[in-house]
Amino acid sequence: DGGITQSPKYLFRKEGQNVTLSCEQNLNHDAMYWYRQDPGQGLRLIYYSQIVNDFQKGDIAEGYSVSREKKESFPLTVTSAQKNPTAFYLCASRRGATEAFFGQGTRLTVV
Amino acid sequence: SQELEQSPQSLIVQEGKNLTINCTSSKTLYGLYWYKQKYGEGLIFLMMLQKGGEEKSHEKITAKLDEKKQQSSLHITASQPSHAGIYLCGADITGAGSYQLTFGKGTKLSVIP
Repeated sequence: DGGITQSPKYLFRKEGQNVTLSCEQNLNHDAMYWYRQDPGQGLRLIYYSQIVNDFQKGDIAEGYSVSREKKESFPLTVTSAQKNPTAFYLCASRRGATEAFFGQGTRLTVV
Repeated sequence: SQELEQSPQSLIVQEGKNLTINCTSSKTLYGLYWYKQKYGEGLIFLMMLQKGGEEKSHEKITAKLDEKKQQSSLHITASQPSHAGIYLCGADITGAGSYQLTFGKGTKLSVIP
């Protein structure tokens, strides 16, 4: 079945460590997105990519990095520069100006 | 400042009652999307509105787009416990053909049996 898969579902990170969240889609969508969700904050855009090998910063890109080497994959790295990384992270993809499809999310906790 | 404002932030209704959630943009809307989310899960797509005056319905949920007011409303008729969750509006507001999809803060809906 076509869809968008995020892994892992839960992730624990020690302070000062980088961690990478995976996002894979087999929908043949050009655009992919990473959002962060905190209680009461809705979804805030971290990075998005319209095509392979190209991506743009969203509203809260500081402390995060991404790559888009393949159409199907858009991994997000949370670096040690991100001061408050504990949150729920959502990945999405879409084709053009249509509805976005979301993964099930990764809950990251700093311990 | 928030580019997409949703109201109310939370809503508690008795089962069977009607309710409306609003989404207002500070910029021109090029496409408006409504989603529902259960806590700790991904977003489920409900409806997309693209033209001023457009209205779409699915089961007991109706969404409208007022292009002049840069506002959309989501109306639920005869609410049920299954309608409970977080409703989010998302929009393309940076330009026609733009891929930057922005969301509001969401409205948390509770339905009391």
